[in-house]
Amino acid sequence: SQQGEEDPQALSIQEGENATMNCSYKTSINNLQWYRQNSGRGLVHLILIRSNEREKHSGRLRVTLDTSKKSSSLLITASRAADTASYFCATDAVTNAGKSTFGDGTTLTVKP
Amino acid sequence: DGGITQSPKYLFRKEGQNVTLSCEQNLNHDAMYWYRQDPGQGLRLIYYSQIVNDFQKGDIAEGYSVSREKKESFPLTVTSAQKNPTAFYLCASRNTGLGSPLHFGNGTRLTVT
Repeated sequence: SQQGEEDPQALSIQEGENATMNCSYKTSINNLQWYRQNSGRGLVHLILIRSNEREKHSGRLRVTLDTSKKSSSLLITASRAADTASYFCATDAVTNAGKSTFGDGTTLTVKP
Repeated sequence: DGGITQSPKYLFRKEGQNVTLSCEQNLNHDAMYWYRQDPGQGLRLIYYSQIVNDFQKGDIAEGYSVSREKKESFPLTVTSAQKNPTAFYLCASRNTGLGSPLHFGNGTRLTVT
């Protein structure tokens, strides 16, 4: 079964708006990572947050992690049409750190 | 340039035939992974290998086989026993340190008719 579940499944916004997507997971983790996938391509790593961290920033990306709720959020500020893609969270569980488990992703459409 | 190469990009096979998907990396990563992605869905782990000559089953290994004879290469064979092989297959690699990110190839889209 999938470890992570993203919410919403699809999100459509105007350029310049902020986009927030959420990820929930089931087991204790060492870290959580967010990836981006353009249509028909491989995934690209965006940002990692460790289990002892609560918030991280990278450019227009802000990630939060709440281990008590087993959830994370990815915020993209001032979105651009080029941000249109699918976004996935992936967790490395404490019990099997060599194996990353992905959620079903959020498809983001940014309209120019 | 360092990276992961998957070939071919598109592959067509008849039902009942085995087919091997290629994955090569020049990133000097110890760990390599195969994922399957169906339309509109996330990635499901087929097999992974953390060191040469060793590999483990993922969540959906039935109907697939792998080998890891070289650090750079992790080919995936989709056998005729795989009941629904049409999918997008992604190969990835990473260092084995905790929290190392996965680096992905651009995938092979396999269609079996």
